[in-house]
Amino acid sequence: GENVEQHPSTLSVQEGDSAVIKCTYSDSASNYFPWYKQELGKRPQLIIDIRSNVGEKKDQRIAVTLNKTAKHFSLHITETQPEDSAVYFCAASYNSNYQLIWGAGTKLIIKP
Amino acid sequence: EPEVTQTPSHQVTQMGQEVILRCVPISNHLYFYWYRQILGQKVEFLVSFYNNEISEKSEIFDDQFSVERPDGSNFTLKIRSTKLEDSAMYFCASRNQQRGVSYNEQFFGPGTRLTVL
Repeated sequence: GENVEQHPSTLSVQEGDSAVIKCTYSDSASNYFPWYKQELGKRPQLIIDIRSNVGEKKDQRIAVTLNKTAKHFSLHITETQPEDSAVYFCAASYNSNYQLIWGAGTKLIIKP
Repeated sequence: EPEVTQTPSHQVTQMGQEVILRCVPISNHLYFYWYRQILGQKVEFLVSFYNNEISEKSEIFDDQFSVERPDGSNFTLKIRSTKLEDSAMYFCASRNQQRGVSYNEQFFGPGTRLTVL
């Protein structure tokens, strides 16, 4: 079955700097790749997603890139702000049910 | 804005007892999911449900688990005989489909924290 690896487990960046989180997936049939942000004790919230027919997608300070050949995708956050501090999860979905297989999460810490 | 809701927010039970976790998906959504997240770990897929039947389940979803949509609004997860390792946050999610078009985004409920003693 699908397996998603996510790195790093913890990322600490200075406020205003950029943050990059990387994920790899194993199943070449995967076709949908969302990123979720989870604040402590809260539900996961979708922040951006990308389908396999697109290489890059951007939404204000957040962007996701997908390399299907290498089977990896990345989340880029620019001009980081304190409210970006949270745990970020990547996920992949490989069939029409769209059930999500999740990465282990990255704790993003924004230093003032 | 409509949201997925879950009850209870926290459930404490004794090992071996049955628990039922309840979810109310967004009203026009047709695909439903249960996930769990053991404290500090990744979110794990349990089961997906569509058209009143299970469409896929993971290895975690063994015979002690069952799901049901008893009426037009609720979606439940039952654990028949709870074990210590069932302690986790359980998230329900739902997804839309309109006019034959599937939308990818899953909307998550706030979760039920299950503690098995």
